Amino acid sequence: ETGVTQTPRHLVMGMTNKKSLKCEQHLGHNAMYWYKQSAKKPLELMFVYNFKEQTENNSVPSRFSPECPNSSHLFLHLHTLQPEDSALYLCASSQLSGTDNSPLHFGNGTRLTVT
Amino acid sequence: TQLLEQSPQFLSIQEGENLTVYCNSSSVFSSLQWYRQEPGEGPVLLVTVVTGGEVKKLKRLTFQFGDARKDSSLHITAAQPGDTGLYLCAGVNYGGSQGNLIFGKGTKLSVKP
Repeated sequence: ETGVTQTPRHLVMGMTNKKSLKCEQHLGHNAMYWYKQSAKKPLELMFVYNFKEQTENNSVPSRFSPECPNSSHLFLHLHTLQPEDSALYLCASSQLSGTDNSPLHFGNGTRLTVT
Repeated sequence: TQLLEQSPQFLSIQEGENLTVYCNSSSVFSSLQWYRQEPGEGPVLLVTVVTGGEVKKLKRLTFQFGDARKDSSLHITAAQPGDTGLYLCAGVNYGGSQGNLIFGKGTKLSVKP
């Protein structure tokens, strides 16, 4: 496998369920990200991990809980979600090199529907 | 709050036509990235422009970064159905947190055969 792989591709869950999204990158990058993509809104950065350490948490509700056990794997644990949390959740990775221009490599996303 | 405005929001054209999409901001960016997202997939980087006034070409796609580094344009010549997708621009802040790109809402392009 190459690139950034996300599972599952689609997820339907009730508001009381607990589920996890998984992301794996095979690019040897040192940073991983979770983004939320909703209709008619710009991509929203949720979390950033740099060398497994969380460096950004953009005021995300606690019902979203990230986990980064190593630099290749990233999880997003979901608990007691709301219908407005339905969106495409994108994982990305990049190689941070001291400049600001590092491009992001995205996975194909998990389409989440909360009922 | 920094914003990147992309226009038009939607564009539907016939194969062979030319088009230009725009990415504008009141903020200055150190560089700007363009991504294309096809249905059911994640965004894929097309190009990064770094220098004010820079022009980069990728086959039939021409990208320009404004002299003041506040805006950018993407021109597609002789569009093909394979160009269909969501075009996203993303600005990189001076001295901002690494990876904290500011994304526009995108331009959704449909090229009909």
